[in-house]
Amino acid sequence: AQSVSQHNHHVILSEAASLELGCNYSYGGTVNLFWYVQYPGQHLQLLLKYFSGDPLVKGIKGFEAEFIKSKFSFNLRKPSVQWSDTAEYFCAVRLSGAGSYQLTFGKGTKLSVIP
Amino acid sequence: NAGVTQTPKFQVLKTGQSMTLQCAQDMNHEYMSWYRQDPGMGLRLIHYSVGAGITDQGEVPNGYNVSRSTTEDFPLRLLSAAPSQTSVYFCASSLPNTDTQYFGPGTRLTVL
Repeated sequence: AQSVSQHNHHVILSEAASLELGCNYSYGGTVNLFWYVQYPGQHLQLLLKYFSGDPLVKGIKGFEAEFIKSKFSFNLRKPSVQWSDTAEYFCAVRLSGAGSYQLTFGKGTKLSVIP
Repeated sequence: NAGVTQTPKFQVLKTGQSMTLQCAQDMNHEYMSWYRQDPGMGLRLIHYSVGAGITDQGEVPNGYNVSRSTTEDFPLRLLSAAPSQTSVYFCASSLPNTDTQYFGPGTRLTVL
């Protein structure tokens, strides 16, 4: 069964600091990769996704992620965080291919940005 | 276009009570799913459906039932609520393969 590991449970940063959240998955086949964000009291929203092509994916709000196939990783980055980035971030993986639906989520990383 | 809607937003039950969490989408998505979110556990898949009349179990199906009589609706039933089912429940929908899942606003359930 596929699984997703997010290494950091809680990250605390000051505004303007750079962010990198780790995500590794275990599956040998072709996958689609996602990062979702959940702001306090809200539902999940898609930050970015990778299906194929350029392994460096740019998402909303200045976030980007790099897919490194050899490392089974899909780390999320942002060069300069803002207080408004305080949220919980979830990495998710889905098998690629026709009829593929199920997402497997990591346990999430809570980001707190201090003004 | 309302997207994915869920009702109720909040619910308190007593142990042993039953209830149905409603989920509806107006995007004609084939795939619908239910997740529960617990602190430190991320989102775990309860049940999912790939179309009307087709449902299957996810990672944590025990204590929950689902049905999919229409494309739009995917209710989640708790037959006999237990305190372990206290959680936030999210419904999601998507088209297959190249699309992403769209999440509803969630239902916060407390079982006393």
